[in-house]
Amino acid sequence: GAVVSQHPSRVICKSGTSVKIECRSLDFQATTMFWYRQFPKQSLMLMATSNEGSKATYEQGVEKDKFLINHASLTLSTLTVTSAHPEDSSFYICSARDSVGGNSPLHFGNGTRLTVT
Amino acid sequence: GDSVTQMEGPVTLSEEAFLTINCTYTATGYPSLFWYVQYPGEGLQLLLKATKADDKGSNKGFEATYRKETTSFHLEKGSVQVSDSAVYFCALRSYNFNKFYFGSGTKLNVKP
Repeated sequence: GAVVSQHPSRVICKSGTSVKIECRSLDFQATTMFWYRQFPKQSLMLMATSNEGSKATYEQGVEKDKFLINHASLTLSTLTVTSAHPEDSSFYICSARDSVGGNSPLHFGNGTRLTVT
Repeated sequence: GDSVTQMEGPVTLSEEAFLTINCTYTATGYPSLFWYVQYPGEGLQLLLKATKADDKGSNKGFEATYRKETTSFHLEKGSVQVSDSAVYFCALRSYNFNKFYFGSGTKLNVKP
């Protein structure tokens, strides 16, 4: 089945540094990828919709200058957490939908656990 | 805007018990509805889906029926197993904008 690879799975960084998370669709093309943040009580919040070749669409309340999203190709989207702070510590999950299937479901990466010290 | 509300967990059941996890949604137009499952230490996986009213999605003994009149998509299983212990997320894909929205997740613990 379709696979989405997310890297790294865990990262620890110091406050003030930037961290890049990659999301790759391995055996299908994804015009659109989604980035989510999973909070400790298990809620999954949509942060932004990443569109290949154009600017990402951010959900209300998500800082676009803080969470930079680049979707450079049909198989790769990146999320960069800039000037990270401890409150950015969370679990980030990407997902992608096969561009071919009009009604196809999402395929998820395994997530990235970010800890900012 | 579109949103999903599902029952809070955790839900603790004995093996072979009946399971219901409630999910209701708010959406414009005609969304598609999904249940995703996250097993311990793993990523999210699609469990089942329904794309129009009165459709029933089913997989691995789980079922959910798309009820437009009650804007619900409750997950059910007649006899749960210990291996069903996981976090279950209800989700919708909006009709107009092709975005996905998730409920807060319900953790299911099944005891032998």
